[in-house]
Amino acid sequence: AQTVTQSQPEMSVQEAETVTLSCTYDTSESDYYLFWYKQPPSRQMILVIRQEAYKQQNATENRFSVNFQKAAKSFSLKISDSQLGDAAMYFCAYRSRFLSGGYNKLIFGAGTRLAVHP
Amino acid sequence: DARVTQTPRHKVTEMGQEVTMRCQPILGHNTVFWYRQTMMQGLELLAYFRNRAPLDDSGMPKDRFSAEMPDATLATLKIQPSEPRDSAVYFCASGTPRNTEAFFGQGTRLTVV
Repeated sequence: AQTVTQSQPEMSVQEAETVTLSCTYDTSESDYYLFWYKQPPSRQMILVIRQEAYKQQNATENRFSVNFQKAAKSFSLKISDSQLGDAAMYFCAYRSRFLSGGYNKLIFGAGTRLAVHP
Repeated sequence: DARVTQTPRHKVTEMGQEVTMRCQPILGHNTVFWYRQTMMQGLELLAYFRNRAPLDDSGMPKDRFSAEMPDATLATLKIQPSEPRDSAVYFCASGTPRNTEAFFGQGTRLTVV
């Protein structure tokens, strides 16, 4: 069974600085997706960024980028030029790309709470 | 603006009462997930439907929880009887098998007193 581990329960960063959130996962599959979701106090789950495992290039979305290390099964999120609105809970998630039976649930890590200080 | 709609947003009920939570997936999506979020357990998958058929409900306590999709536009999660330990935020998410990500509703915050 696949597992996702986020070892940092809490992180903090100064506004305009850069912060990196860590995520590791365990799987025997070779083809899958990885995600970072953001959950602000409104509790809405918002997709931040997605990475396809078959792509070597790291995904980027504006100030958000990932460092995907497939061999190490590591998937960290870097937030550049942090803003107050980035304060939230961040979840790393895994989803198999294997669609046999259409069964490919999202598996989440425990989350990292990010505080942004002015 | 396509979105997953969950009702109610908040529910306070007494122990022993039946609770029904509803989810309207995004039009055209044929997979639906129910997740429960608590401080202690994080995000737990309760049930997963594809084309209205349950593929996995192993995360759901069968004695009191039930999940159904009476039609393609409605998914329900019922708790009967409810207990204080069921207090949590319940999320519905939808997608298609080839969607890479799942799209979440805003959740139902359930408090059982």
